[in-house]
Amino acid sequence: GAVVSQHPSWVICKSGTSVKIECRSLDFQATTMFWYRQFPKQSLMLMATSNEGSKATYEQGVEKDKFLINHASLTLSTLTVTSAHPEDSSFYICSARQTGTGNEKLFFGSGTQLSVL
Amino acid sequence: QKEVEQDPGPLSVPEGAIVSLNCTYSNSAFQYFMWYRQYSRKGPELLMYTYSSGNKEDGRFTAQVDKSSKYISLFIRDSQPSDSATYLCAMRDTNAGKSTFGDGTTLTVKP
Repeated sequence: GAVVSQHPSWVICKSGTSVKIECRSLDFQATTMFWYRQFPKQSLMLMATSNEGSKATYEQGVEKDKFLINHASLTLSTLTVTSAHPEDSSFYICSARQTGTGNEKLFFGSGTQLSVL
Repeated sequence: QKEVEQDPGPLSVPEGAIVSLNCTYSNSAFQYFMWYRQYSRKGPELLMYTYSSGNKEDGRFTAQVDKSSKYISLFIRDSQPSDSATYLCAMRDTNAGKSTFGDGTTLTVKP
């Protein structure tokens, strides 16, 4: 299957700092990538849809100024958690959809555990 | 009511058992149906992918889609302790930009 690389796998930061998480599709091009948040023992919560070359589409209740998404190329999307606070501590996961194959498969990154002190 | 309802579990079975995981949905426009396996603190891994109705088999895994009943299932034969994980169903229609996920069922296979 296709490979999606997410980095870093875990990060600890102080309250008030910003954290950037990268999501790369390694062997395919992805016009669309998705960012999720997951709390322990809960399902994925879609935060935003990231489209290459355009602004991200955020789900209701997700602060776009808090969670900055950039999708500058067909293989890279980034999520920046700005001025992180302890309540932002969570497991963040990205996924990417292959482009142009009529294929509806989503491939996920391995996730980033963010802990804000 | 959620668009996708998944049997909540948790589910605990002995090694070698047949496991049935199920989801129901309300959106008749869903055409693509997926099952993902997620280990703790890891990203979901695509297990099975089905378009429209029917069965699909891959090794010990069989996915079934019954669009008339709006019901999908994942069967795991000869379950192994390594199958212990959370299983997520997901589905999508042709035009939607995103998939809709179930809440997941946590499975434990005991040796």
